[in-house]
Amino acid sequence: DQQVKQNSPSLSVQEGRISILNCDYTNSMFDYFLWYKKYPAEGPTFLISISSIKDKNEDGRFTVFLNKSAKHLSLHIVPSQPGDSAVYFCAASNYGQNFVFGPGTRLSVLP
Amino acid sequence: NAGVTQTPKFQVLKTGQSMTLQCAQDMNHNSMYWYRQDPGMGLRLIYYSASEGTTDKGEVPNGYNVSRLNKREFSLRLESAAPSQTSVYFCASSEVLAGNTDTQYFGPGTRLTVL
Repeated sequence: DQQVKQNSPSLSVQEGRISILNCDYTNSMFDYFLWYKKYPAEGPTFLISISSIKDKNEDGRFTVFLNKSAKHLSLHIVPSQPGDSAVYFCAASNYGQNFVFGPGTRLSVLP
Repeated sequence: NAGVTQTPKFQVLKTGQSMTLQCAQDMNHNSMYWYRQDPGMGLRLIYYSASEGTTDKGEVPNGYNVSRLNKREFSLRLESAAPSQTSVYFCASSEVLAGNTDTQYFGPGTRLTVL
């Protein structure tokens, strides 16, 4: 049973609009969450993180929201650009333990 | 500064053959990891090394062995490859054991096919 779920395998968004990628988790002990971005034939690269003591973290065009009661986090990209087209992985951890990754969502930003 | 490098990039094996995937990092990181990525499964941890001289099993260690050769290098060995080990393998490193740090740095991956 997957502890970290990304229920949308793919998402298409028009350039300039908002992209919202969702992630749900089942383990209430998770206290640190990250998003990674992956281009084809490359390894994942770190994008943004959030600790469970916060409900929002922003970095430029990227904002991550955490709803602990719903065990849900989301990544917002505003405005979306064609270069944002990639696979996005959500990951979660409990302090001192290794990360658990979701299956990924493929984002396509259409010009 | 190359970051995390992996060799080879591609490999085709026959069932029962053995091979070693190599990984090296030049960031002086203490911790290193091996993941596999399968469609619809995300990244699953095979083995990790919290520091030089230590290795531990991850989520899916069966059929694999690892060696932390020195602080820079962490290899993954398949002793008798099986078709179920067809996957993309990623090596990663981090300054400390990645339970509460921002960044794991990933290599470009090795695409392995077992016939």
